[in-house]
Amino acid sequence: DTEVTQTPKHLVMGMTNKKSLKCEQHMGHRAMYWYKQKAKKPPELMFVYSYEKLSINESVPSRFSPECPNSSLLNLHLHALQPEDSALYLCASSRGRAGYTSTDTQYFGPGTRLTVL
Amino acid sequence: AQKVTQAQTEISVVEKEDVTLDCVYETRDTTYYLFWYKQPPSGELVFLIRRNSFDEQNEISGRYSWNFQKSTSSFNFTITASQVVDSAVYFCALSEETNFGNEKLTFGTGTRLTIIP
Repeated sequence: DTEVTQTPKHLVMGMTNKKSLKCEQHMGHRAMYWYKQKAKKPPELMFVYSYEKLSINESVPSRFSPECPNSSLLNLHLHALQPEDSALYLCASSRGRAGYTSTDTQYFGPGTRLTVL
Repeated sequence: AQKVTQAQTEISVVEKEDVTLDCVYETRDTTYYLFWYKQPPSGELVFLIRRNSFDEQNEISGRYSWNFQKSTSSFNFTITASQVVDSAVYFCALSEETNFGNEKLTFGTGTRLTIIP
């Protein structure tokens, strides 16, 4: 079963709101990812967690705050976002048996379509 | 630095026609992995194939086939007898195997495939 779930499917928020995106996988994967995808562009890596520890932070603004409470869950906390942050946010996971490696196959969730007003 | 080029931005074919999506890559490493993902309008990236640089055998999976040629740094994807459900954006991606621990999956810009009924 190669399933990654994400909630909510759609989110509309104002620039002063605080919200969270959630991601869950039950494949026993130890690496989890957040990507941001703008329309007609490829996904851009934001964060990587390996064994629940932040492994890569691609210089993402602090208004995005990731959290990995356990090996199955990944959250992305949002605060004081800008309209240009509107995008599809994708979560992914990979085996990561020996820690994070980008050569493992990443399995993606359906994404959260975020609109910032 | 690694790079993936998908020169075909958009392709339209009539249902049941064959179609080939091109992918050309650049890498300094001798060990690397290539991937293809499908992204239907729903947004989820669906994993199609992972191939390492030492395995140059072509692969066939149902109506899908992949042609890997190291001599031309290409990893092309062919759909035979296309169907409307094949309409999606297809991404080719590359990952190098390094010991630095911070390597990333590099995506091409994607090819939007439309199958006309």
